[in-house]
Amino acid sequence: DQQVKQNSPSLSVQEGRISILNCDYTNSMFDYFLWYKKYPAEGPTFLISISSIKDKNEDGRFTVFLNKSAKHLSLHIVPSQPGDSAVYFCALGGTSYGKLTFGQGTILTVHP
Amino acid sequence: GAGVSQSPSNKVTEKGKDVELRCDPISGHTALYWYRQRLGQGLEFLIYFQGNSAPDKSGLPSDRFSAERTGESVSTLTIQRTQQEDSAVYLCASSNFPGQGLGETQYFGPGTRLLVL
Repeated sequence: DQQVKQNSPSLSVQEGRISILNCDYTNSMFDYFLWYKKYPAEGPTFLISISSIKDKNEDGRFTVFLNKSAKHLSLHIVPSQPGDSAVYFCALGGTSYGKLTFGQGTILTVHP
Repeated sequence: GAGVSQSPSNKVTEKGKDVELRCDPISGHTALYWYRQRLGQGLEFLIYFQGNSAPDKSGLPSDRFSAERTGESVSTLTIQRTQQEDSAVYLCASSNFPGQGLGETQYFGPGTRLLVL
């Protein structure tokens, strides 16, 4: 029973273009949503988050969008840079949860 | 310390041996979490500590796995009689949960790469 799904295992984009990573969830009890970036042989690094009271949060090149009715979360990176190449995980939690529930990850490759 | 630290960074052991993995959370963080990532898979929750208590240990895969936390700081994850399927990266995270009640970000350590031969 996968509560959180990242349906694209990989994504390849050209430097300077937009990267869009998607995440779908089934449990409406989640009310805090995060994106993590992970490089090989390192732990996940927090990128950006959004609470359920918002539908958009922006931090520099990174914007997270939340569509609660569709139970859909997305991360936009613009412009994409080669250093953004990594595995991106969405993670869901909230006020009633200690743990985070992670998606399977999407491998982003940004080509120079 | 400035971030979450874990030791050892790598551990190779023989099937049937016991292993202990250590996590030092960010100072002052009351919540501590253990996750596991098998090759090619996402992060799998194991156990959550609030202070020295574990209100959620639902992710521990078997009774060979146990964890403790002392002094509301360091945590140790112990795997007894290791099996080859225990091979994975074991990640520790800490946070200020429940904090302000809006959800709290978890900060991860670099992980311990466990290989069971």
